[in-house]
Amino acid sequence: QVQLVESGGGVVQPGGSLRLSCAASGIIFRSFGMHWVRQAPGKGLEWVSFIRFDGSDKYYGDSVKGRFTVSRDNSRSTLYLQLNSLRPEDTAVYYCMFCSSTNCDWGQGTLVTVSS
Amino acid sequence: QSVLTQPPSASGTPGQRVTISCSGSSSRIGSDHIYWHQQLPGTAPKLLIYRNDQRPSGVPDRFSGSKSGTSASLAISGLRSEDEADYYCAVWDDGLSGWVFGGGTKLTVL
Repeated sequence: QVQLVESGGGVVQPGGSLRLSCAASGIIFRSFGMHWVRQAPGKGLEWVSFIRFDGSDKYYGDSVKGRFTVSRDNSRSTLYLQLNSLRPEDTAVYYCMFCSSTNCDWGQGTLVTVSS
Repeated sequence: QSVLTQPPSASGTPGQRVTISCSGSSSRIGSDHIYWHQQLPGTAPKLLIYRNDQRPSGVPDRFSGSKSGTSASLAISGLRSEDEADYYCAVWDDGLSGWVFGGGTKLTVL
């Protein structure tokens, strides 16, 4: 059974940084590209970032480009998202997610709150 | 502002059939596969439909997807109280190498 467990969320001041993690189990992690998707309170889903299975290519949404960095450690089956220069509008639940040919799986999410 | 347009709300009574639409441009839906995700209150999203009309293992056949031209629909038959949730359509954007989500539809079971 696939399990994705995010961690690392918390309260941070504007301009601060956080690193989120997503630990995967039940999948051959090194075979799949991975995504981060976020959801602001009371709002819809917003795609944030994608990293290819081997980390060779990384992509970002316009709202986070230049401030967030995605990475992965296939030896630890773990996905990361480094959040820098945080803004109040980055306040959201951050989910990791991946899609195989027949399904997509989501983690339970981790809450990031940017507030002074 | 999402480039995939969904009605903000929908409703139905138990046992009824309801549909939720997702519309976009010819470049957005016309040539892409549609995915539908369900988000129950206070929980993470869950995939309901992939590649327009395919159900992952474990998803009841009460849920069905279709696509025609630049519009897609999610249909729920035999509506149940536990279907009350937010529903999101999504497409994969090759240029972005990322997902584009619709704004979501809140389904209320009356």
